[in-house]
Amino acid sequence: KAGVTQTPRYLIKTRGQQVTLSCSPISGHRSVSWYQQTPGQGLQFLFEYFSETQRNKGNFPGRFSGRQFSNSRSEMNVSTLELGDSALYLCASRLEGAADTQYFGPGTRLTVL
Amino acid sequence: SQKIEQNSEALNIQEGKTATLTCNYTNYSPAYLQWYRQDPGRGPVFLLLIRENEKEKRKERLKVTFDTTLKQSLFHITASQPADSATYLCALDMGNTGFQKLVFGTGTRLLVSP
Repeated sequence: KAGVTQTPRYLIKTRGQQVTLSCSPISGHRSVSWYQQTPGQGLQFLFEYFSETQRNKGNFPGRFSGRQFSNSRSEMNVSTLELGDSALYLCASRLEGAADTQYFGPGTRLTVL
Repeated sequence: SQKIEQNSEALNIQEGKTATLTCNYTNYSPAYLQWYRQDPGRGPVFLLLIRENEKEKRKERLKVTFDTTLKQSLFHITASQPADSATYLCALDMGNTGFQKLVFGTGTRLLVSP
């Protein structure tokens, strides 16, 4: 089975712009979670989608949003980019189940100038 | 608020020795705890999961213990190899709505010297 894929792998934007990141989960996985990873804060949970519905959310401002499509693919959007949004954005998918393993993609490295 | 602490400094050990990494948490009673490995520029990779009613879990050279009284998990790599050099993350499910919400520790960087 193919793993979790994320596009693009690298992105450079300027302050005030918006960005959309894409994630394709492992075939059969309906849960997709997004994380932000920075050297200072580590890996932080953004939100989780299941069957096109957001069912869990971390402590991030409303500039961070996401959605999931009927084929389980997910997108994450960040509007009005700030310098502090520079980070590695990771997507993870899993089978439904309380303790199912998260399978992470390679991430999108976003740099905000 | 919930807090997960791991050794903040890098752990340097010699090849063949046992590496022991620590994960401490506060203000929570998780049903299970997970350990992940992350290499530079890559996403984390799942290693082991241990449940609250399990004291110990093994997989090849890896061993995890879980002490819910101390609120601590220890992660051991026996007969360590340079290829084990990576950052190791522990994670707890802190979802309170019935759905998973993984919270990760900051990770411990392990360096195994030949």
